[in-house]
Amino acid sequence: EAQVTQNPRYLITVTGKKLTVTCSQNMNHEYMSWYRQDPGLGLRQIYYSMNVEVTDKGDVPEGYKVSRKEKRNFPLILESPSPNQTSLYFCASSLSRQSNEKLFFGSGTQLSVL
Amino acid sequence: GESVGLHLPTLSVQEGDNSIINCAYSNSASDYFIWYKQESGKGPQFIIDIRSNMDKRQGQRVTVLLNKTVKHLSLQIAATQPGDSAVYFCAEENSGYSTLTFGKGTMLLVSP
Repeated sequence: EAQVTQNPRYLITVTGKKLTVTCSQNMNHEYMSWYRQDPGLGLRQIYYSMNVEVTDKGDVPEGYKVSRKEKRNFPLILESPSPNQTSLYFCASSLSRQSNEKLFFGSGTQLSVL
Repeated sequence: GESVGLHLPTLSVQEGDNSIINCAYSNSASDYFIWYKQESGKGPQFIIDIRSNMDKRQGQRVTVLLNKTVKHLSLQIAATQPGDSAVYFCAEENSGYSTLTFGKGTMLLVSP
């Protein structure tokens, strides 16, 4: 089944403790992206990757890192999480980032930073 | 997700009614528009899209209307069903920049 898989589904952590949220897609997509979703703010892009070893900042990159060593994986790294990073995170992928290529989303990771 | 529905405008309809969800977009240079559906606890799912050279596009039970003059997009759902209950949001893109900008969403509640 074609899908974008994120793990974990739920995560509670404490300020300053490094964490990684994994994302994997099995559709051979070139483009992958991370979003955060907050009440009243909608989906905001954190980082995106046009292909292997090519990553770029989105609208809200501060406090996050990503890597794209393989085509299928795009982990999101929080080196020193803070409470303002408590949010619902989504990974997404598409064949390319040309217009009208459908974006497929994972099921989300609910992160709480205490 | 569990927190997505907070602070969102809500449309409540009866099963079988037609629903209209509206979206005002911001960038007059946007030339591609998408509607997404997000059910509780799930990621957004593509519903229908439209390019700026069209003003109407129909899918299965859904129609998207685009009014470029007033930068307005609407999603019409015919014969709304309880399974249509979700948050719906639009996204706009300027294909020259390939960056999607998402709207904040509307919660649709369908009563049996």
